[in-house]
Amino acid sequence: NAGVTQTPKFRVLKTGQSMTLLCAQDMNHEYMYWYRQDPGMGLRLIHYSVGEGTTAKGEVPDGYNVSRLKKQNFLLGLESAAPSQTSVYFCASSYSIKTTEETQYFGPGTRLLVL
Amino acid sequence: AQTVTQSQPEMSVQEAETVTLSCTYDTSESDYYLFWYKQPPSRQMILVIRQEAYKQQNATENRFSVNFQKAAKSFSLKISDSQLGDAAMYFCAYRSALYSGGGADGLTFGKGTHLIIQP
Repeated sequence: NAGVTQTPKFRVLKTGQSMTLLCAQDMNHEYMYWYRQDPGMGLRLIHYSVGEGTTAKGEVPDGYNVSRLKKQNFLLGLESAAPSQTSVYFCASSYSIKTTEETQYFGPGTRLLVL
Repeated sequence: AQTVTQSQPEMSVQEAETVTLSCTYDTSESDYYLFWYKQPPSRQMILVIRQEAYKQQNATENRFSVNFQKAAKSFSLKISDSQLGDAAMYFCAYRSALYSGGGADGLTFGKGTHLIIQP
């Protein structure tokens, strides 16, 4: 049982390049989330999904797109990276219908540097 | 929208002593959850403790306990017998309750408190 995993762990991009961050969970959770963490800040919600095939915007969605084609995976895409997107990105999942568990479980984070 | 405020950017405590981290929040909802997460230098977000707003009893997890004051919208974390491994950033977080129609969106975090343990 790996919990929540994220790929890659670290990436350097040039301005204008694109990339996709992958999040996978093996807890059969319904809800999945992408957050970003900047220095001196708590985590802020980018996008989230309440089930396979659904996505919704969070607090800071601009410049990002997401997809949830499979229940266990949640992808975060940057179409044209900007230096302002330099951050640490966290994926989280929660809510098992069987247990109505409210707690969010986090992945280890992806550090992204945009030059 | 809900807001979470942690007024202590940094706290320092002697090993084996007790320390309390403060958190206040603003909400118009009556049903919600509150969390404390720990983030060590590894950056992994680790759940420390959670509190359901409908429960009057304060949550405890071994050396960690909370003082939940719903009317005052206060949710402080007490760490007893502090250990070197407790050194980390601590984040307070809020989430609406699923069963009251909210909760599908994510956690709202405070800016964190950096806890230093003096040996």
